[in-house]
Amino acid sequence: QQPVQSPQAVILREGEDAVINCSSSKALYSVHWYRQKHGEAPVFLMILLKGGEQKGHEKISASFNEKKQQSSLYLTASQLSYSGTYFCGTDPGTASKLTFGTGTRLQVTL
Amino acid sequence: GAVVSQHPSWVICKSGTSVKIECRSLDFQATTMFWYRQFPKQSLMLMATSNEGSKATYEQGVEKDKFLINHASLTLSTLTVTSAHPEDSSFYICSASATGGSGYTFGSGTRLTVV
Repeated sequence: QQPVQSPQAVILREGEDAVINCSSSKALYSVHWYRQKHGEAPVFLMILLKGGEQKGHEKISASFNEKKQQSSLYLTASQLSYSGTYFCGTDPGTASKLTFGTGTRLQVTL
Repeated sequence: GAVVSQHPSWVICKSGTSVKIECRSLDFQATTMFWYRQFPKQSLMLMATSNEGSKATYEQGVEKDKFLINHASLTLSTLTVTSAHPEDSSFYICSASATGGSGYTFGSGTRLTVV
């Protein structure tokens, strides 16, 4: 079953923060986050492994709560380049294949 | 970083014909590649897992005789859409992982339009 992401869409002004949530009905081994620009392939942002870790990459960070089977992506001081659709990809650890979430469309404006 | 090259970027074909899409891992060996399909404004849906030297594993509801996958070497996987129909028009993307525990690298995608 496909992980559910929230919100479905969000519009930000440059410099504002956003949180994107990913919720799975299955136990997870890892969660991946990707950003996709229109007409392009997804670009890998980060991976979080089982253990409830939190990761950061400049102004983008994420957390993984394996007990709740949820992950959140945090975007701080958003930039125009952050615009795109964000997908979480979940891996239950059985076959290393990812099931992608429903997606969150993010638009950053001036 | 790991690079996956996918060709062609776009293709228009007539209904009933077949189309082959290639994915190559340029700087790493990919024993496993994944093929996804994405319809406009929707998420990526896994079609099949391609394993080097063995038969592909298809997801439920994906016709293996229509979507032929060949993974003949550690750097090349191909997806052939046979007897294409307009409903097969979509964005097809492959992906592979260079090392375990890291993210997956995606090819640039192929936009297929069947007319």
